[in-house]
Amino acid sequence: AQKITQTQPGMFVQEKEAVTLDCTYDTSDQSYGLFWYKQPSSGEMIFLIYQGSYDEQNATEGRYSLNFQKARKSANLVISASQLGDSAMYFCAMREGRGKAAGNKLTFGGGTRVLVKP
Amino acid sequence: DTGVSQDPRHKITKRGQNVTFRCDPISEHNRLYWYRQTLGQGPEFLTYFQNEAQLEKSRLLSDRFSAERPKGSFSTLEIQRTEQGDSAMYLCASSLVAAGYGNQPQHFGDGTRLSIL
Repeated sequence: AQKITQTQPGMFVQEKEAVTLDCTYDTSDQSYGLFWYKQPSSGEMIFLIYQGSYDEQNATEGRYSLNFQKARKSANLVISASQLGDSAMYFCAMREGRGKAAGNKLTFGGGTRVLVKP
Repeated sequence: DTGVSQDPRHKITKRGQNVTFRCDPISEHNRLYWYRQTLGQGPEFLTYFQNEAQLEKSRLLSDRFSAERPKGSFSTLEIQRTEQGDSAMYLCASSLVAAGYGNQPQHFGDGTRLSIL
């Protein structure tokens, strides 16, 4: 079974509008972390935002916010006030475990391509 | 530049040749990871090191693949007898895992794109 599912292969969004990227995950661990990365066409993976499974508040980082619904196992990324430079692939990823085990591998979803239209 | 550095950025080689990639992590990071990303997919975990110890290897890492981190700083990933299916982007990431540092993200390099002719 897929551990991370991103159901939207591609999306168009108008400049200055908000966009929500879906991510659902599957784990039996109580302790885990969820990450979003941006990958522009140049290839580098850029860390955007992190949500821990025990965090009570939704994470926010500038124009990025994470809509974390633990019972539904979803961690959707919201980008507000889209800019042309937001055009990229966006990946949701999960890290399972806690403490020293929390430094383990990331499991990535298949990604969502976002194109911002002027 | 204090980010993760990978070399080379691109490598084109003939099937059957050996290739080696290098990754220099962020200097204070004790963990180093290798991932492989094929076109249109998310990265897939290959292996990771804590300092010089290789702690986990994916089943994707066949016996043609070997990774080292001899002094706990830079790492090399070698692929022997390359095959067409090895064509991919090879990404290196590093992170700091230590008491009191909470949940640190992995920081990625720009990757090495391997093309097998």
